[in-house]
Amino acid sequence: AQSVTQLGSHVSVSEGALVLLRCNYSSSVPPYLFWYVQYPNQGLQLLLKYTSAATLVKGINGFEAEFKKSETSFHLTKPSAHMSDAAEYFCAVSGGIQGAQKLVFGQGTRLTINP
Amino acid sequence: GAVVSQHPSWVICKSGTSVKIECRSLDFQATTMFWYRQFPKQSLMLMATSNEGSKATYEQGVEKDKFLINHASLTLSTLTVTSAHPEDSSFYICSASRTAGTGELFFGEGSRLTVL
Repeated sequence: AQSVTQLGSHVSVSEGALVLLRCNYSSSVPPYLFWYVQYPNQGLQLLLKYTSAATLVKGINGFEAEFKKSETSFHLTKPSAHMSDAAEYFCAVSGGIQGAQKLVFGQGTRLTINP
Repeated sequence: GAVVSQHPSWVICKSGTSVKIECRSLDFQATTMFWYRQFPKQSLMLMATSNEGSKATYEQGVEKDKFLINHASLTLSTLTVTSAHPEDSSFYICSASRTAGTGELFFGEGSRLTVL
């Protein structure tokens, strides 16, 4: 079974500051890990994913995440926040190649960008 | 990227009526579609997995007679909320994949259901 915990339901940073959204996972099999972004009243857009290749994954819009097996973490970062980054972010895990499409989502983190 | 479209985006209905939500893959054939439910300010919960030409697989705790899923073609899956009640009010999101098992998922824009 898989589960995801996102630390912090709400993160607020200043424009230009570092963005760090935390995600810890639990999985009984080698996991696939994902970060999605959701804008109000819209579906989800994939930011990046880890599928057992490179542990540092680069995604769209300048985001990246690092898979750390020892810490069971997959934190999302961006060096410099833009106002357009304000949204809800979801970390998700799936059961590796056998269950790659059955995603379990974290609770979500709302990112606010202050001018 | 591939496009998945949901219709309607918003629907308001009276208690006791049934509502159908469509999920279409516009530029690819989707072997598998997934339906999620999202309560306000909460995460997405997988309701069911829909495979073309076969019965949907429902997650534990999801009433299959309440939430009817039909995946009649490779580009369309429908979710029908039968005899809707106010507690069924929610944001329903679908996702679709070209390839079963490992293909990337593409999400629809979501459908907000309000039951009066």
